[in-house]
Amino acid sequence: GNSVTQMEGPVTLSEEAFLTINCTYTATGYPSLFWYVQYPGEGLQLLLKATKADDKGSNKGFEATYRKETTSFHLEKGSVQVSDSAVYFCALSSTSGTYKYIFGTGTRLKVLA
Amino acid sequence: DADVTQTPRNRITKTGKRIMLECSQTKGHDRMYWYRQDPGLGLRLIYYSFDVKDINKGEISDGYSVSRQAQAKFSLSLESAIPNQTALYFCATSAKVGGYGYTFGSGTRLTVV
Repeated sequence: GNSVTQMEGPVTLSEEAFLTINCTYTATGYPSLFWYVQYPGEGLQLLLKATKADDKGSNKGFEATYRKETTSFHLEKGSVQVSDSAVYFCALSSTSGTYKYIFGTGTRLKVLA
Repeated sequence: DADVTQTPRNRITKTGKRIMLECSQTKGHDRMYWYRQDPGLGLRLIYYSFDVKDINKGEISDGYSVSRQAQAKFSLSLESAIPNQTALYFCATSAKVGGYGYTFGSGTRLTVV
């Protein structure tokens, strides 16, 4: 079945450091891929998405590229800020005609000033 | 007002009690979902509904029931709450499966004592 695997956290970085959060997936067909962010006390917000191979999603300085050959969708940011501290979820949606959104377990990021 | 509103935001209830969590949306989306979030487990789907007359079980529906009262309203009930149902519950909506992503509510933190 479909699945999403994220690197375990927490990830602790200093401000202005480079961020990578790894995400790999298993899916049949050609899923769409997403990154969601959850700030403390809030629901998940869509951060970026990519709907086909080699697409790059980007938003707020974050980027992720849909790599079909490595079944990956790693989240990157060149210079993190304290305000980026949150939990990040990788997710996919199946194109098989059903509801299937599959979420990873989330990676907590803590950025220190 | 938020696009997806969940009530209550927090609730403490006793074992064996019936409790209802409510969700309403102004997105005009047909599809609505209830998820449960537990530390280290990510989000797990409880129930989903593609329209008012279409309700489906997710991966962890035991002990829960739902009602889709209108396109904009989707409520989750715990008929007889138990402590391992203590979790953060999220309602989400989507326009369609595929490349559009979800809109999440802010969540309901439920504690069963």
